[in-house]
Amino acid sequence: ETGVTQSPTHLIKTRGQQVTLRCSSQSGHNTVSWYQQALGQGPQFIFQYYREEENGRGNFPPRFSGLQFPNYSSELNVNALELDDSALYLCASSFGSEGEQYFGPGTRLTVT
Amino acid sequence: GIQVEQSPPDLILQEGANSTLRCNFSDSVNNLQWFHQNPWGQLINLFYIPSGTKQNGRLSATTVATERYSLLYISSSQTTDSGVYFCAVSIQGAQKLVFGQGTRLTINP
Repeated sequence: ETGVTQSPTHLIKTRGQQVTLRCSSQSGHNTVSWYQQALGQGPQFIFQYYREEENGRGNFPPRFSGLQFPNYSSELNVNALELDDSALYLCASSFGSEGEQYFGPGTRLTVT
Repeated sequence: GIQVEQSPPDLILQEGANSTLRCNFSDSVNNLQWFHQNPWGQLINLFYIPSGTKQNGRLSATTVATERYSLLYISSSQTTDSGVYFCAVSIQGAQKLVFGQGTRLTINP
């Protein structure tokens, strides 16, 4: 059984740029959720994708957007990067929108 | 929205000691998970426990849903148990997990 994978591991971007983060769900899972974790804080929910559609969104602006593909993998896109976007971005997969969530290793984004 | 509080925020123990971490939540939940965040940031699933008691080796957890709290027990602590432990919950019909602020556990040799 393959676990949740994320790429890249680390990323450095400049303010104003755009970034795409990728996530492959665990085999047998059809739902992907994205979280942002600032230093010293618990993860905060960004949004969830189920059946290739956004299925719930946290308190994040529209410049945070995503996609889910037919193989259930997902992308998180962030436009017009701000310094406060520097964080660990975590992807979780589950079977169903309310199932137990399993997390990937994360992508650490630094915005300078 | 639902509030999740974890205590204590920090816990320092000697190897071999036992510990109890607490998670209080403000509403009825249909999902409660305990995680251990390793030094590289990955969240490792410990328990999926919306109610009842579970055990896995030296770790066990109990959730009393009617009183809106969960406890994580670690027995005979090892240095590798060090890290941040998170409790996360979701309510019926909601997709998101709401996390507490975590308990930072340090086990000294």
